[in-house]
Amino acid sequence: SQQGEEDPQALSIQEGENATMNCSYKTSINNLQWYRQNSGRGLVHLILIRSNEREKHSGRLRVTLDTSKKSSSLLITASRAADTASYFCATDRENSNYQLIWGAGTKLIIKP
Amino acid sequence: NAGVTQTPKFQVLKTGQSMTLQCAQDMNHEYMSWYRQDPGMGLRLIHYSVGAGITDQGEVPNGYNVSRSTTEDFPLRLLSAAPSQTSVYFCASSHYGTGTFRGSYEQYFGPGTRLTVT
Repeated sequence: SQQGEEDPQALSIQEGENATMNCSYKTSINNLQWYRQNSGRGLVHLILIRSNEREKHSGRLRVTLDTSKKSSSLLITASRAADTASYFCATDRENSNYQLIWGAGTKLIIKP
Repeated sequence: NAGVTQTPKFQVLKTGQSMTLQCAQDMNHEYMSWYRQDPGMGLRLIHYSVGAGITDQGEVPNGYNVSRSTTEDFPLRLLSAAPSQTSVYFCASSHYGTGTFRGSYEQYFGPGTRLTVT
């Protein structure tokens, strides 16, 4: 069963706009991670946020975590064509040898 | 550093054939794992290892075997291929620890193996 579920499944915006993706999960976690996957490629790590953190930034990326609502959001500001990709969240359940459970992803398309 | 390497990149098998997908990493990572990715779904964990000589099952282990004789290598064996195993397979590695930083670490992924079983 999937622990994380991303919303929306697909998102299409104009270059320069901001993109927001959400992730919900079901059980208590240690950490939540976001990854990017370009078409036909392996996944690339973006940000890891710990369960005791509420917000984290990396360049144009901002991740928030609300453990009371079991949800996280990924904001990409000033989007570029190169941001076109699928974005996945992954959570590790407590007491599970830190196995990562993945959502189905959000497909982001940036229109020039 | 080569990072995580996987071979082959593409493979076509007939039902009932067996094969081994190779995975190697040169980052001295303790944790290695195999995932499969099917259309419209996230990654599903097949098997993982927290160190040489230690392996464990993930979410979808049936039909697959693994071994971890060295820190660097983590091969995945398909015992008797079935059409349901048609998928893209990713190997990943990371650090692993239960010290002050509890939880998963950043995963480094290989480029993937696209497997078709006819």
